[in-house]
Amino acid sequence: GEDVEQSLFLSVREGDSSVINCTYTDSSSTYLYWYKQEPGAGLQLLTYIFSNMDMKQDQRLTVLLNKKDKHLSLRIADTQTGDSAIYFCAIGGGSGYALNFGKGTSLLVTP
Amino acid sequence: DVKVTQSSRYLVKRTGEKVFLECVQDMDHENMFWYRQDPGLGLRLIYFSYDVKMKEKGDIPEGYSVSREKKERFSLILESASTNQTSMYLCASKAGGGNTEAFFGQGTRLTVV
Repeated sequence: GEDVEQSLFLSVREGDSSVINCTYTDSSSTYLYWYKQEPGAGLQLLTYIFSNMDMKQDQRLTVLLNKKDKHLSLRIADTQTGDSAIYFCAIGGGSGYALNFGKGTSLLVTP
Repeated sequence: DVKVTQSSRYLVKRTGEKVFLECVQDMDHENMFWYRQDPGLGLRLIYFSYDVKMKEKGDIPEGYSVSREKKERFSLILESASTNQTSMYLCASKAGGGNTEAFFGQGTRLTVV
C-alpha cells in the first residue's frame, strides 16, 4: 500500500498540548483519518478531514492538512492522562477500498 | 450503534492447526477487512472483501485465506498455523467506496505455540 509515516512515540505532560504528525505519499487520497486505540481495544475513529480542507476543529482536537507537503497533524489541547493511547493516521479514497494506516504513535501523558 | 464483533478476544492454538477467526457486522456494509497488528509495524492488511464471495489480497496474504459466504460475516482462515502468525487480528467493515469510516472489532489476540 501507499506509505503513511508517523513517529512512534510522544511523551507530554498533563495539561500541555500534544501534536502528532503524519506524512503520506498518495496524493489522490480524499479522506484522511485519525484513529485512537486504547490498551486492549480495537480502533475508534477520532476525527477525519476532507482533502479540500486545511483545518478542522472538534473540541480539544485540531486537524491540520498541508496537501502540498502531504502532511497531516493532530493537535490535542490540554492533554489528559486519559488521552494516553496509540494514535493512527489513515488515508482513504485513493486507489482502493481499504484504508492505509501508519504504524501508530504511542502517546504517553505524564502527571 | 455500528457493531463489528469478533468471535474471540483470545485464542491459543498449536503449530499446524487450522484456525478460524470469525467477524460479524450488523450494518449491512459491503466492505470487510482483516488486518494484523504487530508492535512497531502498525496495521497490515491481510485480505479484504467488497461483496459476498468476493475477496482481494492485501499486503500480506501469505499463509491466510478468507471466506465471505454471507454479507455480514467475514472469516479469516490460517490453514496451518505457525508461530510467526502470533499477533493481534483486527476485523473492520465500512460502507460504499473509499471515502467512508471504517469500524473496527475489538481484536483477537492469537498465540500459536
